[in-house]
Amino acid sequence: NAGVTQTPKFRILKIGQSMTLQCTQDMNHNYMYWYRQDPGMGLKLIYYSVGAGITDKGEVPNGYNVSRSTTEDFPLRLELAAPSQTSVYFCATSPGQVFGGQFFGPGTRLTVL
Amino acid sequence: GQQVMQIPQYQHVQEGEDFTTYCNSSTTLSNIQWYKQRPGGHPVFLIQLVKSGEVKKQKRLTFQFGEAKKNSSLHITATQTTDVGTYFCSPYSSASKIIFGSGTRLSIRP
Repeated sequence: NAGVTQTPKFRILKIGQSMTLQCTQDMNHNYMYWYRQDPGMGLKLIYYSVGAGITDKGEVPNGYNVSRSTTEDFPLRLELAAPSQTSVYFCATSPGQVFGGQFFGPGTRLTVL
Repeated sequence: GQQVMQIPQYQHVQEGEDFTTYCNSSTTLSNIQWYKQRPGGHPVFLIQLVKSGEVKKQKRLTFQFGEAKKNSSLHITATQTTDVGTYFCSPYSSASKIIFGSGTRLSIRP
């Protein structure tokens, strides 16, 4: 089992460009999450999903969009990239929201210039 | 909303010394999870604590959940170079969304 996979690993964007960060899991978990981690900082929740077709905002959703059409995939869309979105983005899954830990993907390092 | 404070922010120890990080919440928690992130890596789930006063051990790591379920600690006995990384708590309460503490970065002198 691959667990949680994220693509791409690295990306450089110009200001105003758009892109989609991909996240796929084969753990059959209902819950999926997107976080950003700025250098030397903790994790901030961007969006999360409790199942296919259901998404909700986290702590820092502005400038991002998500969709969840299948259990396996949870893409994160950046529209009109800004330097403030330079960060490492982690996707995670969990079997439930209250019990059981989160399992993280390897991350995507994004730089906006 | 829920506030969480994790201390210390950094700790630099001699190999073989003990290490402790603390996570304090402003509200009563349903549970708390702990994660470790190696430099350049992704967070890895270590453990979840649910019961008041709960203590769990994983080899040299001891995790505690306070009696009032507002604080927690992670203690490492006799640190090794493999313990290097940042340790995050993630407290959960029904009143708030998922949050992570700011982390404690552990570095070790061989």
